[in-house]
Amino acid sequence: GAVVSQHPSWVICKSGTSVKIECRSLDFQATTMFWYRQFPKQSLMLMATSNEGSKATYEQGVEKDKFLINHASLTLSTLTVTSAHPEDSSFYICSARTFPGLAGIGGTDTQYFGPGTRLTVL
Amino acid sequence: AQTVTQSQPEMSVQEAETVTLSCTYDTSESDYYLFWYKQPPSRQMILVIRQEAYKQQNATENRFSVNFQKAAKSFSLKISDSQLGDAAMYFCASSPVYGGSQGNLIFGKGTKLSVKP
Repeated sequence: GAVVSQHPSWVICKSGTSVKIECRSLDFQATTMFWYRQFPKQSLMLMATSNEGSKATYEQGVEKDKFLINHASLTLSTLTVTSAHPEDSSFYICSARTFPGLAGIGGTDTQYFGPGTRLTVL
Repeated sequence: AQTVTQSQPEMSVQEAETVTLSCTYDTSESDYYLFWYKQPPSRQMILVIRQEAYKQQNATENRFSVNFQKAAKSFSLKISDSQLGDAAMYFCASSPVYGGSQGNLIFGKGTKLSVKP
């Protein structure tokens, strides 16, 4: 149990185009999803937190109009990188959190990570 | 605010030996969790071990154990009987607890562990 998927796993796009990344919790309901960015050989940096049905909360320095986050259901969150530029090239990771008692998962709440999406902007 | 510091960018261990990865943290929260995550070359983040700050007993998971020193704000990870599959980037992380629920994860910069056969 507790599987999180991301799609696509790897995307190459031209500068100026928009890219959508999906994050799904496959066997549990995620009340909260997180989006991270990871540069090569560096740690994960939290970009934003999204709760189902409400607007995402962005970390300081993250442009909310550039990185659009939608958390429309308890199993799906999307990150859209709008008008992508080469400096947006990075590894994007989502995680999903649930709470004890919700369908599919027992025990204490924790974050489960997706496998990541490598974005390359040419 | 919370900060997590990993002072060892790289570590190396011989297969079957024991290695300890260091982590210190700073927090103003009264309740928090501490974690060690492993990121192998596949880049999939894998939870290794979790410690609840209010628990004095050190968490263990098979070959992995922690030395949690709350007063010193230290949270080291010991890997016993190291295996080749343990080679990965290890991240120490903390998160506050609000109303009984876990908050955002704050990660250290990571320690790259190599395992020599």
